[in-house]
Amino acid sequence: DIHMTQSPSNLSAEVGDRITITCRASESISNWLAWYQQRPGKAPKLLIYDAATLESGVPSRFSGSGSGTEFTLTITSLQPDDSATYFCQQYNYFFFTFGPGTKVHIK
Amino acid sequence: EVQLVESGGTWVKPGGSLRLSCTVSGLTFSDAWMAWVRQPPGKGLEWVGHIKNKHEGETTDYAEPVKDRFTISRDDSKDTVYLQMHRLQTDDTAIYFCTTLHPDRPRWGLGTLMTVSS
Repeated sequence: DIHMTQSPSNLSAEVGDRITITCRASESISNWLAWYQQRPGKAPKLLIYDAATLESGVPSRFSGSGSGTEFTLTITSLQPDDSATYFCQQYNYFFFTFGPGTKVHIK
Repeated sequence: EVQLVESGGTWVKPGGSLRLSCTVSGLTFSDAWMAWVRQPPGKGLEWVGHIKNKHEGETTDYAEPVKDRFTISRDDSKDTVYLQMHRLQTDDTAIYFCTTLHPDRPRWGLGTLMTVSS
């Protein structure tokens, strides 16, 4: 199984800050990686797929980069609405695996 | 617009059985590989299993915790994938999501909650 790790597990930042979340895969997954935002009790919301493609309707302050085993999600100019948990998913194989999540708190 | 709609979640006693459904619209369902993913309360996401399309033999695979207890099937005439669950345990309590990568990106339903409790 491909194991996904994320860092940090928690992040506290202010409105307007730029933040970066890192996701690492235990083996190369090319660019088959998605990023999601999830709020409590809600379904995951797709932000980025294929490592760097912004999902339609997602604000351009969200961006993704990376390939192989290391990936980043960047949020520029953090907004109050960005308070949520963010996690990554690999889909190089249909045996999907997920990062444990990063909780983003707005100070 | 692609939509995945799960249904069937409810409360069930340990040892019981339940079948979840996921009906899909907006894509060619018969071409799609479909997966179930679950999320226990307050925890992360876990792949449960998947089913390939008819062209690939409708092959299934399952996560170890559910192997021999859960079965995924599909009815392409109804654009629906099923998750049949037997011998349910309290740690099967979760929101169950269906998901696919077809045709071009990950797509998810809103999920259905199953609670296993006495």
